[in-house]
Amino acid sequence: SYVLTQPPSVSVAPGKTARITCGANNIGSKSVHWYQQRPGQAPLLVLYNDRDRPSGIPERFSGSNSENTAILTISGVEGGDEADYYCHVWDSSSDHMVFGGGTKLTVL
Amino acid sequence: QVQLVQSGAEVKKPGASVTVSCKASGYTFTDHYMHWARQAPGQGLEWMGWINPNNGDTNYAQKFLGRVTMTRDTSITTAYMELSRLRSDDTAFYFCARAARKGDFDVWGQGMLVTVSS
Repeated sequence: SYVLTQPPSVSVAPGKTARITCGANNIGSKSVHWYQQRPGQAPLLVLYNDRDRPSGIPERFSGSNSENTAILTISGVEGGDEADYYCHVWDSSSDHMVFGGGTKLTVL
Repeated sequence: QVQLVQSGAEVKKPGASVTVSCKASGYTFTDHYMHWARQAPGQGLEWMGWINPNNGDTNYAQKFLGRVTMTRDTSITTAYMELSRLRSDDTAFYFCARAARKGDFDVWGQGMLVTVSS
């Protein structure tokens, strides 16, 4: 089965840039989506198709995807960005959806 | 506005079944696949499967084959997920999510806590 690997945690100071990776074999050939999940809430889509932002998501959220790594970048991190972040792809070989294990973003 | 509203929390005994409902509104129900995912307390998201509300076709994650059944009632724009032979490790929040565009999940239900305990 297709496995997405995320670091368990990332820490960043307010105003700095956070980068959260999602690694997998040839992930660059897939569309990667990213979700933010605050405690006690449902996930919220923050990026789809590697780099596209849904309406209402700040430009501070951006993404890239190449070869074996997709990256969610959050610029000018704010306290409200503290949350868990999950990457997500469709694995065409199994026709199943796959989530990464999640990354807890801590704002110092 | 587009929203998915799920049923309330339930407590079940091991071996029982649970059905989670997901009421869709604000869009054409049959235009979007509905997916189900769960999240055990303190853990990550786990995809369970999808249903095509247009024709009832389903696709389940291997882990849940034989225990999960996804259905829908188009007359009341509601999707259902039934999980049978419950075990303690099925204790989790269960989410429905609408699929859009590139297969991303653009709308989520609020989640429903299912607790399995004797």
